[in-house]
Amino acid sequence: SYELTQPPSVSVSPGQTASITCSADKLGDRYVCWYQQKPGQSPVLVIYASNKRPSGIPERFSGSNSGHTATLTISGTQAMDEADYYCQAWDSDTVVFGGGTKLTVL
Amino acid sequence: EVQLVESGGGLVQPGGSLRLSCAASGFTFSSYWMHWVRQAPGKGLVWVSRVNTDGSSTKYADSVKGRFTISRDNARNTLYLQMNSLRAEDTAVYYCARVACGYEGSCYFDYWGQGTLVTVSS
Repeated sequence: SYELTQPPSVSVSPGQTASITCSADKLGDRYVCWYQQKPGQSPVLVIYASNKRPSGIPERFSGSNSGHTATLTISGTQAMDEADYYCQAWDSDTVVFGGGTKLTVL
Repeated sequence: EVQLVESGGGLVQPGGSLRLSCAASGFTFSSYWMHWVRQAPGKGLVWVSRVNTDGSSTKYADSVKGRFTISRDNARNTLYLQMNSLRAEDTAVYYCARVACGYEGSCYFDYWGQGTLVTVSS
């Protein structure tokens, strides 16, 4: 089965750039989505089609995907961006999520 | 406004059954594929099942195949998940989610419900 691998945690200082990776075999050949989930809340889509931002998502969120790694980048990270982030891809009509990355803004 | 509202969660003994519902509003429910995704306490998101627009095609994660059944009633704008032979490892918050497809055929979960907690314990 297809597996997406994320680092369990990433730390960033306010105002700096945070990068969260998602790795899998030939991931660059697939579209990747990213979801943000804050404690006690439902996930929110922040990136789709690897690098497209839904309406209402701040411009500081961006995505890229090449080779075996997709990356969610948060520029000028704010305290409100502290959350769990999950990558997601499709595998033969089923859905695969990464294990999630806890982003700490300190 | 798009809304997905889950219900039906609760405490159930191992081996028991539960039926979850997801009431949809604010969009043409019959035009969208729908999914269930679960999240065990303190753990990550795990895909459970999906159904196509008219309910004729379904798919399941291996962990629930043969025990869970997804269905929908487009007249009632409601998605269901019938869960049988429940196990402790099924304990989780269960979310229903709508799939949208757009750019070059890419698909994504654009709306999620608030989730309903299922606890399997004796």
